[in-house]
Amino acid sequence: EVQLLESGGGLEQPGGSLRLSCAVSGFTFNDYALNWVRQAPGRGLEWVSSISGGGEDTYYADSVKGRFTISRDNSKNTLYLQMNTLRAEDTALYYCARGVIRGALDYWGQGTLVTVSS
Amino acid sequence: EIVLTQSPDFQSVTPKEKVTITCRASQSIGRSLHWYQQKPDQSPKLLIKYTSQSIPGVPSRFSGSGSGTVFTLTINTLEAEDAAAYYCHQSGSLPFTFGPGTKVDIK
Repeated sequence: EVQLLESGGGLEQPGGSLRLSCAVSGFTFNDYALNWVRQAPGRGLEWVSSISGGGEDTYYADSVKGRFTISRDNSKNTLYLQMNTLRAEDTALYYCARGVIRGALDYWGQGTLVTVSS
Repeated sequence: EIVLTQSPDFQSVTPKEKVTITCRASQSIGRSLHWYQQKPDQSPKLLIKYTSQSIPGVPSRFSGSGSGTVFTLTINTLEAEDAAAYYCHQSGSLPFTFGPGTKVDIK
């Protein structure tokens, strides 16, 4: 069974940093790209970032480029999102999702909530 | 950036009715358009990939069509459990984007 479990969310002040993790099981980890998608409270879905199966290719939304860094540890079956210089508008539920680059997202985690507020 | 718009924003429907949701892209994306269902307090679920490809385990009443800039999700014979928000998503061009969603409510 494919499972994705996010962690690392919490309350952080504007300008602060957080690192999200997504532990994955149930499939061959480096066969798939992984993605972060966020959803602000009461709002729609927003793609944040993607990383290829081997980790050599990364992609970012303009809204997070230069502040967020996606990475993966294929020995630990874990995806990460390092979030720096946080802003109030980064407040959202952050999902990790499995897919292929330029493809659909076929499995999603339950999300981890990030709140940026003073 | 490719902007996706969805219509309608909201639809209230009687069970067994047919529902059609349209997603329009600001530029051609070929067939790189996917549909998701999100029920309250749940994660999104993939319904249709690459415009019309079915997903194992998804009921056959869900189908998709289109190409280029206009795509549709059709729910035939709506059931009460289909009450949800529906999102389109394009992966044809970076940055990848989602539509704003269509909320389907059951009368």
